[in-house]
Amino acid sequence: AQSVTQLGSHVSVSEGALVLLRCNYSSSVPPYLFWYVQYPNQGLQLLLKYTTGATLVKGINGFEAEFKKSETSFHLTKPSAHMSDAAEYFCAVRYSGGSNYKLTFGKGTLLTVNP
Amino acid sequence: ETGVTQSPTHLIKTRGQQVTLRCSSQSGHNTVSWYQQALGQGPQFIFQYYREEENGRGNFPPRFSGLQFPNYSSELNVNALELDDSALYLCASSLGQGGNTIYFGEGSWLTVV
Repeated sequence: AQSVTQLGSHVSVSEGALVLLRCNYSSSVPPYLFWYVQYPNQGLQLLLKYTTGATLVKGINGFEAEFKKSETSFHLTKPSAHMSDAAEYFCAVRYSGGSNYKLTFGKGTLLTVNP
Repeated sequence: ETGVTQSPTHLIKTRGQQVTLRCSSQSGHNTVSWYQQALGQGPQFIFQYYREEENGRGNFPPRFSGLQFPNYSSELNVNALELDDSALYLCASSLGQGGNTIYFGEGSWLTVV
């Protein structure tokens, strides 16, 4: 079975500081990994994804994530936080094979950015 | 803007009633999936439709059912509503069963009283 653990339900940073949101997964087969952002009262927006190839993935709004198989991690980073980054962030995993293509989400990390 | 549209955006129902939520997928996307997001939680997979057939289901009871139409739009139906069904219902579309670019709509907020 696949599962996702997001360490820290709430992360607070100052504007301009490094953003680090942690995600660990478990999957019995090679995973596909995703980060989504959700602004208040909105749906999910895809930030970035890892399927195959380069393990460092760049996404929108200056975010990037690195797939580390040995650590079963896919942490999300951004060098310098902006006030507009305040939102809820979800890490998700999907099997790379089989017929059920569901996304399994973590519980989310709320990011607040202080001026 | 993901091209996935959902309706209605908000609705209130009474326990025991039935509800239908609708989703139009992004143009060309033939796979639609539905998720339930309770307050303060991550989305939970309900089911997926590919070319009008259900091809995957999460841990939800049979009173959660769906349809996909030839134009790939979809409906989620929930019968005998319970208070715990109050949640944000998200529709997602992708191209092909294994499509990795999965776009979500803005969701439908359902409140059961």
